Amino acid sequence: QVQLQESGPGLVKPSETLSLTCTVSGGFISSYYWSWIRQPPGKGLEWIGYIYYTGSTDYNPSLKSRVTISVDTSKNQFSLNLNSVTAADTAVYYCARGGGSSSLMRFDYWGQGTLVPVSS
Amino acid sequence: AIRMTQSPSSFSASTGDRVTITCRASQGVSSYLAWYQQKPGKAPKLLIYAASTLQSGVPSRFSGSGSGTDFTLTISCLQSEDFATYYCQQYYSYPLTFGGGTEVDIK
Repeated sequence: QVQLQESGPGLVKPSETLSLTCTVSGGFISSYYWSWIRQPPGKGLEWIGYIYYTGSTDYNPSLKSRVTISVDTSKNQFSLNLNSVTAADTAVYYCARGGGSSSLMRFDYWGQGTLVPVSS
Repeated sequence: AIRMTQSPSSFSASTGDRVTITCRASQGVSSYLAWYQQKPGKAPKLLIYAASTLQSGVPSRFSGSGSGTDFTLTISCLQSEDFATYYCQQYYSYPLTFGGGTEVDIK
């Protein structure tokens, strides 16, 4: 059974960088696309971007200038960096597994999510 | 970006009811449409993909239909564990986008 677990600081200050890591267990990170998705408190879901195990990425244009997603296949992990954060970036951040193709990006496995408040 | 609009945004229902949730895409997404269920404090759970294919382990009372721009999620006989928020998501083109959600609560 594939499991995903987000980890990272629980609080980020405005203008700083939000950094999270997703550890994948029960399966290999290769052969699938891996995404970050966020959900502001009481609101809907927003796709942030994906990475393939080869390092290929795609990002939501609304965040593209501030986002970097990277992968470490040796650790079965992928990571999110979001810089210059503001209060509007306060959200629960989820990592999730997409399909085996960039055209099959529905999310069948999700992490439990981690709330990241942005506050001074 | 393709905008996904769900209706209604919320409604009340009783156990045993047949319920239908609608999702409309601002442009055609073929059958590249998924449905998720989310309970408070939990991650979304994939219910249906390819508009009508039931994800493994999901009860058969859930069904999906539609293609192009109009889609529906139907729960044939609402159970207590089905009270939740439901989201549609298109994966036809990037950026991937979700509907605003439909909250189903107890009447």
